[in-house]
Amino acid sequence: LAKTTQPISMDSYEGQEVNITCSHNNIATNDYITWYQQFPSQGPRFIIQGYKTKVTNEVASLFIPADRKSSTLSLPRVSLSDTAVYYCLVVPQAQAAGNKLTFGGGTRVLVKP
Amino acid sequence: ETGVTQTPRHLVMGMTNKKSLKCEQHLGHNAMYWYKQSAKKPLELMFVYSLEERVENNSVPSRFSPECPNSSHLFLHLHTLQPEDSALYLCASSQAIGAHNYEQYFGPGTRLTVT
Repeated sequence: LAKTTQPISMDSYEGQEVNITCSHNNIATNDYITWYQQFPSQGPRFIIQGYKTKVTNEVASLFIPADRKSSTLSLPRVSLSDTAVYYCLVVPQAQAAGNKLTFGGGTRVLVKP
Repeated sequence: ETGVTQTPRHLVMGMTNKKSLKCEQHLGHNAMYWYKQSAKKPLELMFVYSLEERVENNSVPSRFSPECPNSSHLFLHLHTLQPEDSALYLCASSQAIGAHNYEQYFGPGTRLTVT
C-alpha cells in the first residue's frame, strides 16, 4: 500500500481557498487517490476521488500531476464549517485488496473568522 | 432513517462486562466494516464483511467478536475489554468490495469508555 504524507495542520480564514498537498511517492499504476473529511466525533465522509489531472465536484477540486506522486485538494472559499480533519488515501483497485482504506494522520484544518 | 446508524452513541463498560455495538445501513450496500479510532491515532480497519461473510480480520484480539446476520446489520460483541480499548468505534458500508468501490459511508460512531 502506498504511504501518504500530508501536513499535520493548516490554519485559514473564512472566504479563503485552502490547498492541502499530499505526497504518495510509491503510488502504483492502478491506485486511485481519495480524500475524506472528518468532523469531531463523526465518521469520515468521502469528498473526492481521482486518478490523474483534475477532478472537480460541488465540494472541492483535486489536482494530480502527471507523475501522480502527489495530489492537492483545493477547498474554495472555506467557511467555519469546513474546520475538520482531511485525509488523503491511496486506494488499491485490485479485487483481492477489497476495500482496505488505510487512513494516515490527516491534516487538521482550522478556519478562523 | 437514512445512511448508516450506530447504537449506542456512547457506552461506558467495566472490564468484566459484555456489551454489543450495533450498526445498520439503509443504503442497500453489500459490504460493511468496523474501524477503531483511538485518540491521536489514525483510523484502524478491524473487520470487513462482504455479503455477510467475513473477508478481513486485521489481527484484532478475540475480545472483539463481529457478527453480520444480514447485509444491513453488523454487530461488534465486546467482552473482557481493557482500558486501552477505549476509542471511537466506527461502522461503514460500501456498495461492494473490489475495484472502484472506494467510497465508504460511515456512521457517527460509538464512543466507548472502558473503566
